[in-house]
Amino acid sequence: DGGITQSPKYLFRKEGQNVTLSCEQNLNHDAMYWYRQDPGQGLRLIYYSQIVNDFQKGDIAEGYSVSREKKESFPLTVTSAQKNPTAFYLCASSTTSEQPQFFGPGTRLTVL
Amino acid sequence: AQSVTQPDIHITVSEGASLELRCNYSYGATPYLFWYVQSPGQGLQLLLKYFSGDTLVQGIKGFEAEFKRSQSSFNLRKPSVHWSDAAEYFCAVGGSSGCSNYKLTFGKGTLLTVNP
Repeated sequence: DGGITQSPKYLFRKEGQNVTLSCEQNLNHDAMYWYRQDPGQGLRLIYYSQIVNDFQKGDIAEGYSVSREKKESFPLTVTSAQKNPTAFYLCASSTTSEQPQFFGPGTRLTVL
Repeated sequence: AQSVTQPDIHITVSEGASLELRCNYSYGATPYLFWYVQSPGQGLQLLLKYFSGDTLVQGIKGFEAEFKRSQSSFNLRKPSVHWSDAAEYFCAVGGSSGCSNYKLTFGKGTLLTVNP
């Protein structure tokens, strides 16, 4: 079955540590995205990538970093510079601009 | 800049009743419009999409939405709600030109509660 996988489902981190969230897709989609979701805030775009080896900042990129070395993978690193990292993180992918985005199951990150 | 407003934070309906969730958008060109549904702790599932053509769009699970350009609205409807429809619903707008193609702007969501 084609889809998007995110791991782990739950992640705990101590303050001051960097942590990397995994996102893999086997849909052969060119574009991939990372969103952050907070209660009552909807989804906010962190980073997106249209093609391999290229990515752009979204609306709330500060304290985050990404890489896109393979078409299937778009890992997100939450750095210690992110002041309030506790949130639900969603990865998505799409083929082209005229197709909708499909979402993974999400990773809930909690900073202890 | 594009934006989406979902005026209702929380709606409660009885099972079997009709449902309408409101969505208003702001976008300077022809928008792409979407409705997604999210169950607690899960990812988002696409219900339906509007790109062009017929302004009444049919989706999965018996949902439909109507695009009204004059009102900048894309309201979601269902004639008879089932208990399993209880979830959070998100409206999103995307661009039809340039880099904004790849960027969706989401509303803050409407939480639907279904009473038996």
